[in-house]
Amino acid sequence: SQTIHQWPATLVQPVGSPLSLECTVEGTSNPNLYWYRQAAGRGLQLLFYSVGIGQISSEVPQNLSASRPQDRQFILSSKKLLLSDSGFYLCAWRLAGASAQYFGPGTRLTVL
Amino acid sequence: SQQGEEDPQALSIQEGENATMNCSYKTSINNLQWYRQNSGRGLVHLILIRSNEREKHSGRLRVTLDTSKKSSSLLITASRAADTASYFCATKAMNRDDKIIFGKGTRLHILP
Repeated sequence: SQTIHQWPATLVQPVGSPLSLECTVEGTSNPNLYWYRQAAGRGLQLLFYSVGIGQISSEVPQNLSASRPQDRQFILSSKKLLLSDSGFYLCAWRLAGASAQYFGPGTRLTVL
Repeated sequence: SQQGEEDPQALSIQEGENATMNCSYKTSINNLQWYRQNSGRGLVHLILIRSNEREKHSGRLRVTLDTSKKSSSLLITASRAADTASYFCATKAMNRDDKIIFGKGTRLHILP
């Protein structure tokens, strides 16, 4: 069966510090991968998605970046965090051609 | 841009009552999905309705789709305390297999 992992679960970082969030998927091959951000009590904002290794599409211009170094690994990064980067970050996967999307447990990021 | 918009934003009902949430979207779609999110957790896929379907049932869930009005509704019958969560609609646009767009969600609170 397929499993999606995210880490860390929670993170508190100072403004201006770097960020690296990791997401890995098990039990499937060549999934579409997604990074979302959710502000408190709000909807999901699609940040990045990837349909294959090294292929990244950015939805919102900002100080975040994403990379997909391996088929089932998706990384969200920043060189310098802003206060506005605080939020709940969710990784998700979906098979191309399928509809249902499967989410990881999320990372709660607080930038102070 | 957001594809789906749910209303109401928040809903409180007594346990045992039915809960109805609505979703409107903007462009032509292949299908519409509903997801559930418990507080601080990832989203879980509930049900999918295709663009050529008008109604679908799954347990205590009933989903309707009106493509002429670009709207959908999710009905939860005989609500339980465990149904307390946020509910999101999500749409996949025609000829766009790469991403699903989520609405802002309805926060449902079931009162004991």
